Amino acid sequence: DGGITQSPKYLFRKEGQNVTLSCEQNLNHDAMYWYRQDPGQGLRLIYYSQIVNDFQKGDIAEGYSVSREKKESFPLTVTSAQKNPTAFYLCASSHGHSNQPQHFGDGTRLSIL
Amino acid sequence: EDQVTQSPEALRLQEGESSSLNCSYTVSGLRGLFWYRQDPGKGPEFLFTLYSAGEEKEKERLKATLTKKESFLHITAPKPEDSATYLCAVVSLGGSQGNLIFGKGTKLSVKP
Repeated sequence: DGGITQSPKYLFRKEGQNVTLSCEQNLNHDAMYWYRQDPGQGLRLIYYSQIVNDFQKGDIAEGYSVSREKKESFPLTVTSAQKNPTAFYLCASSHGHSNQPQHFGDGTRLSIL
Repeated sequence: EDQVTQSPEALRLQEGESSSLNCSYTVSGLRGLFWYRQDPGKGPEFLFTLYSAGEEKEKERLKATLTKKESFLHITAPKPEDSATYLCAVVSLGGSQGNLIFGKGTKLSVKP
């Protein structure tokens, strides 16, 4: 079945540590996105990529980094510069046009040890 | 500034009690409006896309409508399995590619 796979489901980060969240899709979508969801807030865009080897900052990119070396994969690294990383992280993908619906994975919950 | 407001924040219904969720938006031209359903600990599940005022979409007990200022998600004779958080999001003509603006959601609880 086609879909978006995020791993791990739960992740713990120590102070000063970088961690990487995985996102893989087999929907043959061109565009991929990373969002952060906090309680009582709407989803906020971290980074997005329309094509391989290209990505753009979203509204809250500070303290995060991404890469897009393959169409299917869009990993997100939460760096030690992100001072409040505890959140639910969601990856999404869509066909290339901005008025096409985005389809989401089941998220990774990141917590601080 | 583009903005999406959903109301109410929470809604409790008895099974079979129909109601509506509201999504008001302020954007510099609407490219599209999206409704999602999100269950606890899961990612949002796509429900509908609406592109122009007057448009309507239906799926089982759900019906989404769109005006120039707001969208409604009507739930007819809900069942307990309809309990979830419903999210509304818009893409504006003035926004950059991928800039989907989300509301904070309406948490729906349907009691048997």
